[in-house]
Amino acid sequence: KAGVTQTPRYLIKTRGQQVTLSCSPISGHRSVSWYQQTPGQGLQFLFEYFSETQRNKGNFPGRFSGRQFSNSRSEMNVSTLELGDSALYLCASSSALGTYSYTFGSGTRLTVV
Amino acid sequence: KNEVEQSPQNLTAQEGEFITINCSYSVGISALHWLQQHPGGGIVSLFMLSSGKKKHGRLIATINIQEKHSSLHITASHPRDSAVYICAVRYTGTASKLTFGTGTRLQVTL
Repeated sequence: KAGVTQTPRYLIKTRGQQVTLSCSPISGHRSVSWYQQTPGQGLQFLFEYFSETQRNKGNFPGRFSGRQFSNSRSEMNVSTLELGDSALYLCASSSALGTYSYTFGSGTRLTVV
Repeated sequence: KNEVEQSPQNLTAQEGEFITINCSYSVGISALHWLQQHPGGGIVSLFMLSSGKKKHGRLIATINIQEKHSSLHITASHPRDSAVYICAVRYTGTASKLTFGTGTRLQVTL
């Protein structure tokens, strides 16, 4: 069965622009969570969606937002990009909210110049 | 302050050695995960623990809830085990939010 698919794999954007990243979960998985990984801060939780509703949110500014569609695919959006937003963005899917088993995607590497 | 502490930060071993990576956390958890990240970024979930011990091939993960400590062991290490190993916990009452350790970079040489 197909894994978690993140698109695009690589992205270069300019400061001030906005960006949208996509995550398609494993078929049948209804929960999608997003993470940011930087050399300085490591991995940090951004938010989690289940049944099209945000269920949990990490400590990130409002420029970071997301949504989930009825087919469980999720998008995250970062507006007014800053250099510090350069990071690897990972999503993970699981079959249900609060379940302990996650499958991660390969990530989107965002570079802000 | 990172609430999940991993040690060591870096580890170099020769092929065949027994390896231990440690993870400590600060308060009660509902689950602890061990993750593996290879160069290029993809993350693989190795184990999820809430108590006791789990084994998969050459990998063994243990957790001591009372001491708030977990270990990941690799027996008969191999160069293909070279990766960053990350401990992540779900604190009780935080639903699905994971808090991550800073990772242990393992290099296994021939």
